[in-house]
Amino acid sequence: DAGITQSPRYKITETGRQVTLMCHQTWSHSYMFWYRQDLGHGLRLIYYSAAADITDKGEVPDGYVVSRSKTENFPLTLESATRSQTSVYFCASSESATGTYYGYTFGSGTRLTVV
Amino acid sequence: AQSVTQLDSQVPVFEEAPVELRCNYSSSVSVYLFWYVQYPNQGLQLLLKYLSGSTLVKGINGFEAEFNKSQTSFHLRKPSVHISDTAEYFCAVATGANNLFFGTGTRLTVIP
Repeated sequence: DAGITQSPRYKITETGRQVTLMCHQTWSHSYMFWYRQDLGHGLRLIYYSAAADITDKGEVPDGYVVSRSKTENFPLTLESATRSQTSVYFCASSESATGTYYGYTFGSGTRLTVV
Repeated sequence: AQSVTQLDSQVPVFEEAPVELRCNYSSSVSVYLFWYVQYPNQGLQLLLKYLSGSTLVKGINGFEAEFNKSQTSFHLRKPSVHISDTAEYFCAVATGANNLFFGTGTRLTVIP
């Protein structure tokens, strides 16, 4: 099915462990984004990518790593998880940086709990 | 620098009543403005957008928003809400080719 898929939907991990959140899109969108959603903060941009092998930091990149070897995949890795990284993570894709024509397409999110 | 302020974190409203969700932005240049909606346990989806032209824009599900440049506002309105409109609503702003900046969201609760 066309769309954007995030996995896993839920994840519990321990402090200090490495965790990778997966994101796959079938739209062939150039742009992909990772946001975290926290109460009182709304959505904050972690990293984004304009194309394969092109990534850049967003507002809150510390503690996260991304890669984009293929256009359709944009995994987010927490190198050493901390409790402050407990959040809901959303992946999004778009034909442009601002989603001017069709908006951003969002995945259903990954709820990550770090204990 | 650009920023978005959603003045109300929660808005309760009775079914069939009108609602306005407020959004103000700060930017010294021309902006693109968006409203996204997030239903429970789902990702966000585009509700409507203002790029240029008519300042009143209509979106899905009967929502509309008005761009007011002098007041730097982009308030979202619906004349009569339904239970199914219960969701979180996010205002977002972009300038030029830059990424979107989202507000902190307004949770709309429609009361039967």
